[in-house]
Amino acid sequence: GESVGLHLPTLSVQEGDNSIINCAYSNSASDYFIWYKQESGKGPQFIIDIRSNMDKRQGQRVTVLLNKTVKHLSLQIAATQPGDSAVYFCAETPNTGNQFYFGTGTSLTVIP
Amino acid sequence: DAMVIQNPRYQVTQFGKPVTLSCSQTLNHNVMYWYQQKSSQAPKLLFHYYDKDFNNEADTPDNFQSRRPNTSFCFLDIRSPGLGDAAMYLCATSRDGGNEQYFGPGTRLTVT
Repeated sequence: GESVGLHLPTLSVQEGDNSIINCAYSNSASDYFIWYKQESGKGPQFIIDIRSNMDKRQGQRVTVLLNKTVKHLSLQIAATQPGDSAVYFCAETPNTGNQFYFGTGTSLTVIP
Repeated sequence: DAMVIQNPRYQVTQFGKPVTLSCSQTLNHNVMYWYQQKSSQAPKLLFHYYDKDFNNEADTPDNFQSRRPNTSFCFLDIRSPGLGDAAMYLCATSRDGGNEQYFGPGTRLTVT
């Protein structure tokens, strides 16, 4: 059967609070960084992306911050709602080709 | 609605018995991807098609093959499934140059 999976990092937040999900990446040559949300039993869903020459990008209730010095990416979710409960993955895409490489996910649980 | 469809949603196969997973899309995207996702892990890129051009990842086992007969369809063939190949297999599409991937719901493969 399936091999035993790793334990995902987890984050629990109270409904209405802000959430911060972090991701470390390794490839300095990545052109874009993307955040995906994956709900149970579904495929990942695009949330927001940021180009490597930017530090910050805002969407609706979400903000992505990129710190290239320490190769760190974060996703901030404002006023977290129960529907935000999911696993969140960061992904990177190189400046050559169309590949996307996913990082370790974080499981977010929103407590009503 | 334009979408990515994967059939079947659940597939059971015997150890060593070839199996084919199917993906179709109505988005008319020219790039199609196959990912393997094991429990509590990130999706792992196996390969992708840019139009008819096949791009294999260096660490994808030879046991995994793919076919793309036309823009809409893409198949994942596992020639001799092992117990370690039990996983969720995700198909995704994107437009050339776009960072937004559209994922299907996945096919969960069980190997007995």
